Amino acid sequence: GAVVSQHPSRVICKSGTSVKIECRSLDFQATTMFWYRQFPKQSLMLMATSNEGSKATYEQGVEKDKFLINHASLTLSTLTVTSAHPEDSSFYICSASPWTANYGYTFGSGTRLTVV
Amino acid sequence: GENVEQHPSTLSVQEGDSAVIKCTYSDSASNYFPWYKQELGKRPQLIIDIRSNVGEKKDQRIAVTLNKTAKHFSLHITETQPEDSAVYFCAAHSGAGSYQLTFGKGTKLSVIP
Repeated sequence: GAVVSQHPSRVICKSGTSVKIECRSLDFQATTMFWYRQFPKQSLMLMATSNEGSKATYEQGVEKDKFLINHASLTLSTLTVTSAHPEDSSFYICSASPWTANYGYTFGSGTRLTVV
Repeated sequence: GENVEQHPSTLSVQEGDSAVIKCTYSDSASNYFPWYKQELGKRPQLIIDIRSNVGEKKDQRIAVTLNKTAKHFSLHITETQPEDSAVYFCAAHSGAGSYQLTFGKGTKLSVIP
């Protein structure tokens, strides 16, 4: 149980375009999902907390107008990188938890974004 | 907010030896401490976790210890194998109604055959 699916796994886009990444909880409902960014050889940095039916909570330094988060259902959160630039190239990964006694946080498979 | 420190950043051990990775946390309200293993280009995988009402937990060659008073927890891997080579992250759940995980900076473990 506690499976999180993330798509796409890899995407290459041109500067100035937007990219949408989907994160789905397959076998549980997730009122809260988390979006992380990971640069090469670095740790996971929390970008924002996605809340079903309400606005996302962004970490300090993360531009909410650039990284749009929508959590319209209990099983789906999306992250849209708007007007992408090469410095946005990174590994984006989501996570969620059914928060039962037996399951901790599960991560999606991640999305490797390359902006050219 | 929570701050998690992890040491060492890199660790090399001979196959068969033990490896120990240590983490400290700052928020005394934190109550859940998972450890993740991440191979290159892949998602972090939960390998073991411990909750604040337990001092030690073991799963085959992997064990985690927690000292709430000192606010530190450690990962112990015994009889290391080459396939244990990866980056390991500790994390702390912030508690107090928040579901956020705060991660340490990671430890790159290399097991030398």
